[in-house]
Amino acid sequence: GAVVSQHPSRVICKSGTSVKIECRSLDFQATTMFWYRQFPKQSLMLMATSNEGSKATYEQGVEKDKFLINHASLTLSTLTVTSAHPEDSSFYICSARDVDGINSPLHFGNGTRLTVT
Amino acid sequence: AQKVTQAQTEISVVEKEDVTLDCVYETRDTTYYLFWYKQPPSGELVFLIRRNSFDEQNEISGRYSWNFQKSTSSFNFTITASQVVDSAVYFCALILTSGTYKYIFGTGTRLKVLA
Repeated sequence: GAVVSQHPSRVICKSGTSVKIECRSLDFQATTMFWYRQFPKQSLMLMATSNEGSKATYEQGVEKDKFLINHASLTLSTLTVTSAHPEDSSFYICSARDVDGINSPLHFGNGTRLTVT
Repeated sequence: AQKVTQAQTEISVVEKEDVTLDCVYETRDTTYYLFWYKQPPSGELVFLIRRNSFDEQNEISGRYSWNFQKSTSSFNFTITASQVVDSAVYFCALILTSGTYKYIFGTGTRLKVLA
């Protein structure tokens, strides 16, 4: 089946530093990937849609200068949390479809737990 | 407004009991898709089922079954003879065929199956 790999699974960083999270589609190409954020015991909040070869589309309220997204190839999207602060601590999950079509299920990575100290 | 409600935040059952997870959705669209995902402690969401708005047939897959009723805007999920490995957070989601095609997730139900 379609596999989405996310790295790292856990990261602890100091306030003010930047952290890069990678999302790879291992056995399919993904022109579009989605980045979600999940707070403890809460639902998934879509942060942005990453588009291969073009700018990402950010959801309302998400700072694009803080959460930099790059989708340089059909199998890799990266999310960089710049100048991280403790309030950025969260669980970040990426996803993609292996088959085009809005009714195709999303395949999710295993998430990255970010802790900013 | 588009919305998915999972009123049960947490359910605990004893192994081998049956359990139903409720999902109620709101939309004015006539064409839409509903999904259930499972999020085990490892964090990865796993796709369980998809149902389109024109297909009200209930579905059974092993110990899992889904009851879709448009009249009550519900898409409930039942696990029969629950097992400890079923312990996870389960999300119901809605995607519309109009507008932005974004997933609208419910808040999830945490299921604990006790041995």
